[in-house]
Amino acid sequence: DQQVKQNSPSLSVQEGRISILNCDYTNSMFDYFLWYKKYPAEGPTFLISISSIKDKNEDGRFTVFLNKSAKHLSLHIVPSQPGDSAVYFCAASSNTGNQFYFGTGTSLTVIP
Amino acid sequence: ETGVTQSPTHLIKTRGQQVTLRCSSQSGHNTVSWYQQALGQGPQFIFQYYREEENGRGNFPPRFSGLQFPNYSSELNVNALELDDSALYLCASSLGQGGTSPLHFGNGTRLTVT
Repeated sequence: DQQVKQNSPSLSVQEGRISILNCDYTNSMFDYFLWYKKYPAEGPTFLISISSIKDKNEDGRFTVFLNKSAKHLSLHIVPSQPGDSAVYFCAASSNTGNQFYFGTGTSLTVIP
Repeated sequence: ETGVTQSPTHLIKTRGQQVTLRCSSQSGHNTVSWYQQALGQGPQFIFQYYREEENGRGNFPPRFSGLQFPNYSSELNVNALELDDSALYLCASSLGQGGTSPLHFGNGTRLTVT
């Protein structure tokens, strides 16, 4: 079963605007969440993390929001740049486990 | 700081053969995890190695096995290859065991089984 879901396979955004990527999870034991960016022919690159004791974490243009009651997290990219065009994966884990569960990814295209 | 490196980058094998994939972890990282990424899917956890011992395994059969060496590098071995094993195999290193610190991935090995 898919414990982490990214229901939007693709997203197109104009350069300079905000990109919002969404992720839902089903396991209430998850307490640590990551976002990755992946370019073709490269491995995923770590972007930003958030633990369940927070509801927001910022790093430059990237902000992750966590809504534990809704089991939902989102990644905001402001302002979006053409170089942000990539596939974005969210991942989740619990501190009692040793693996990350990944979503199926959202392909972001930033239009110049 | 040296990142995670994987070899080879591409590999073509025939059904029934065996394959070994290699990974050097990022300097300072003592934990290595292997993931399989099929086309259009997210990475799926195969197993994790910490201090040269398997430290957790995903839903993969025993023909998937691994090793971690004293320098924290690692190998993934797959026996009796099947067509469905065709995928991108990703190695990731991290600091500490478990799922409590970010994974740092290599660029992967693209395995094609014919």
